[in-house]
Amino acid sequence: GAVVSQHPSWVICKSGTSVKIECRSLDFQATTMFWYRQFPKQSLMLMATSNEGSKATYEQGVEKDKFLINHASLTLSTLTVTSAHPEDSSFYICSAPSPAGGGGNEQFFGPGTRLTVL
Amino acid sequence: AQRVTQPEKLLSVFKGAPVELKCNYSYSGSPELFWYVQYSRQRLQLLLRHISRESIKGFTADLNKGETSFHLKKPFAQEEDSAMYYCALSMSGGTSYGKLTFGQGTILTVHP
Repeated sequence: GAVVSQHPSWVICKSGTSVKIECRSLDFQATTMFWYRQFPKQSLMLMATSNEGSKATYEQGVEKDKFLINHASLTLSTLTVTSAHPEDSSFYICSAPSPAGGGGNEQFFGPGTRLTVL
Repeated sequence: AQRVTQPEKLLSVFKGAPVELKCNYSYSGSPELFWYVQYSRQRLQLLLRHISRESIKGFTADLNKGETSFHLKKPFAQEEDSAMYYCALSMSGGTSYGKLTFGQGTILTVHP
């Protein structure tokens, strides 16, 4: 099946710094990608929809100035956590829709990025 | 607003026993329902989707619109089925297409 990668797999940063997380569709193009956040032993919460060539759409309660999303190409979306604080520490996961289309709205998930803010 | 509920956070069974992971949803439109699985140290992957009406790794799930449920079942659990299972809902069409709402997840442990 299609593969989605994320980089880095884990990152530790100091409070106040910014961190960029990359999400790539390796063997297919994705005009839309999704960013989720997962707290330990909890469910995935959709943060935003990344749209190639246009602005991202954010879910209610997600600060767009805090979590900057750029979908620069058909295979790359980036999430930048700006001025990170300890409460931003979490597992961030991206997904991209199946390139096959039809047959249901299947998503392929990246392996996730563990962010720890000290 | 749509919502997915998995009432059991933990579920333990013995190998060979039947297993049922419960999922209920609320959504006013016509949803697509999925089961995703996450094995230890692996990424989330699709297990089943209701429109396919297929059996994967011995698991089946039937969408019951009357009861707004999409329970996952397997008649004989195996140790390798131990994992975190998420029920997820995708709203139909429009700007919401592709967005998934996840349940809280159920950790299934199959004992030898």
